[in-house]
Amino acid sequence: QQPVQSPQAVILREGEDAVINCSSSKALYSVHWYRQKHGEAPVFLMILLKGGEQKGHEKISASFNEKKQQSSLYLTASQLSYSGTYFCGTEDGFSGSARQLTFGSGTQLTVLP
Amino acid sequence: EAQVTQNPRYLITVTGKKLTVTCSQNMNHEYMSWYRQDPGLGLRQIYYSMNVEVTDKGDVPEGYKVSRKEKRNFPLILESPSPNQTSLYFCASSLGLPSSYNSPLHFGNGTRLTVT
Repeated sequence: QQPVQSPQAVILREGEDAVINCSSSKALYSVHWYRQKHGEAPVFLMILLKGGEQKGHEKISASFNEKKQQSSLYLTASQLSYSGTYFCGTEDGFSGSARQLTFGSGTQLTVLP
Repeated sequence: EAQVTQNPRYLITVTGKKLTVTCSQNMNHEYMSWYRQDPGLGLRQIYYSMNVEVTDKGDVPEGYKVSRKEKRNFPLILESPSPNQTSLYFCASSLGLPSSYNSPLHFGNGTRLTVT
């Protein structure tokens, strides 16, 4: 079952902050975030493992709340280069050995000058 | 340069005419996978392969075939394409399981397929 991402789309100005959420109805072991720029292939951003870990990648960070079965991606002081579609991919279960990720439908982020 | 190469980038075909989309990776990755991307539905997995001669169905395998005769190649075959298979297709590979901490997916540049 696909995780649910929200919002579906967001438009903001350079320098503003954004939060993208990813939630699942199943217990999660890990959450993976990818970004796809228009016309390009998705690119890996980060992975969060069970344990509520928060990770950072320049001004992009994420958290994982396993009790709520959700992850949030935080983009602070957005830059034009952050525009794209963000996907979360989830691994269900408890083992960390899933053979596949299930991706959400994506959140389209547009950063305007 | 480490990469996943898909061909062709664009393909227009007619219903029922068999086609193959090729995928090759030069990173010695064990895991390879095919996804289709449709508006509002995100990335859905078609098939994946854990290693040579080992393939498994993903979430939307109907109408597709794959093979993994060599580690580097993972072609996607549509024996009798239909209009509902019009989509953007991505091949991806990873060192090990895509759920692993050190094994992110590397995607190809995509193949836009139109079936009329």
